Amino acid sequence: DGGITQSPKYLFRKEGQNVTLSCEQNLNHDAMYWYRQDPGQGLRLIYYSQIVNDFQKGDIAEGYSVSREKKESFPLTVTSAQKNPTAFYLCASSMRTEIYYGYTFGSGTRLTVV
Amino acid sequence: AQSVTQPDIHITVSEGASLELRCNYSYGATPYLFWYVQSPGQGLQLLLKYFSGDTLVQGIKGFEAEFKRSQSSFNLRKPSVHWSDAAEYFCAAYSGAGSYQLTFGKGTKLSVIP
Repeated sequence: DGGITQSPKYLFRKEGQNVTLSCEQNLNHDAMYWYRQDPGQGLRLIYYSQIVNDFQKGDIAEGYSVSREKKESFPLTVTSAQKNPTAFYLCASSMRTEIYYGYTFGSGTRLTVV
Repeated sequence: AQSVTQPDIHITVSEGASLELRCNYSYGATPYLFWYVQSPGQGLQLLLKYFSGDTLVQGIKGFEAEFKRSQSSFNLRKPSVHWSDAAEYFCAAYSGAGSYQLTFGKGTKLSVIP
C-alpha cells in the first residue's frame, strides 16, 4: 500500500548536535512538507518542496535545513542553530496541483534534546 | 491574510452526546475545506473534505460536516460520540489561488467523559 513513512519515531539529541529526520513516500506525490507541532500551537510549516531539487522556507525555517534530491524523499536536518528543537515533527505529501485530495501525513517523529 | 479559525481550543463531551466542532475561514471565494483528526503521538488522518456540490459531506468514523457560505463556516458534527473519538481535530483550507498549500487551524482538542 502507498503511504508516507517517517523514521525514527523517537529521536534523542544532545545539545550542539545535528540530527536528520527521514521522510519517504511512495505515493508519487510531487509536493512534500515539514511541520513542527508544539502543544497548543497547531502545525507550523518549516519547509516545503513542490518539485525535485527545489524547496522553499516556511514560517519557521531558522535552524533547519532540507534537501529534495529524489521525488520520494525529503529529509529534514535539525541543526545546532535551532535553539529549542524539542517537538513533534510531521511530514506530509500531496499532489502539487490536485490539492483537493488534501495532504497525506506520516506518523511523526518526536525529537527530544537531552 | 487568508486564515482558518477554530474558536474552541478544548471541548469536553460525554460519551453518547452529540458533537459540533467549529471552523471558520476567511477567503473570498469558496475554498477547498478539510477536516483532519490526530490521535496522541500520531500523524493526521483525513476525515472528510469539501470542494463543490452538496454542502453536507459525509466522512469516515461517522463524522459529517456542513459548508455554509453565508457564515464562512465548515463545522464538523457527530451525532453520538464514542470514547475513541478523543483526539485533536484540525480544520484546513485551500483558497484556490496562489501556491498549492493548505492553511490549518490551530486545532480543537476533544475529551470524552465515559
